Amino acid sequence: DTAVSQTPKYLVTQMGNDKSIKCEQNLGHDTMYWYKQDSKKFLKIMFSYNNKELIINETVPNRFSPKSPDKAHLNLHINSLELGDSAVYFCASSVTPLTSGSPGELFFGEGSRLTVL
Amino acid sequence: GDSVTQMEGPVTLSEEAFLTINCTYTATGYPSLFWYVQYPGEGLQLLLKATKADDKGSNKGFEATYRKETTSFHLEKGSVQVSDSAVYFCALPSGGGNKLTFGTGTQLKVEL
Repeated sequence: DTAVSQTPKYLVTQMGNDKSIKCEQNLGHDTMYWYKQDSKKFLKIMFSYNNKELIINETVPNRFSPKSPDKAHLNLHINSLELGDSAVYFCASSVTPLTSGSPGELFFGEGSRLTVL
Repeated sequence: GDSVTQMEGPVTLSEEAFLTINCTYTATGYPSLFWYVQYPGEGLQLLLKATKADDKGSNKGFEATYRKETTSFHLEKGSVQVSDSAVYFCALPSGGGNKLTFGTGTQLKVEL
């Protein structure tokens, strides 16, 4: 069983369209994340949810809207897609908090590669 | 804020060569430190970690020692293999422990 699964793996779409990426984890973790990886492999956190509550929103345009229907799922909806949104989006989960002494491990999905034309 | 700085890549080595990837951190206190690895086409996975100063994390022949004197957590491997070709990320908890902040990643390519 895949621990953190994302769908779709690849997404090619036109500018201006709206798209969603879904994520599910079966690890029983309380916290889920969305990270964006650009073409230079730089990873930046976008959002974090703990038990369905938004705890991190890192200055992401409001065209991006995360939704967590339960603590095992975190979806990402993107409105009015722009060329600069092209990236690989990674979902991850963890036991929280990530402070010293805790397991501190993030479990990542395989990523969803979004290409905006 | 808390951050990590790692050496820029790409790093190209011959098989069986010695590997060092430098990582230094800036943090309040002594957070846990991590190395993650991303193989081509995959998500990141934890390679090793250290939870306090002077701890050594190790896995798959890789090692890193948490050195508070030099605020460093350099990744080393004595003899790399072609299968070690990947991107390596240094990371630490930040935002009150609510997220991991990653370094810029170092691409390693190992050739025969």
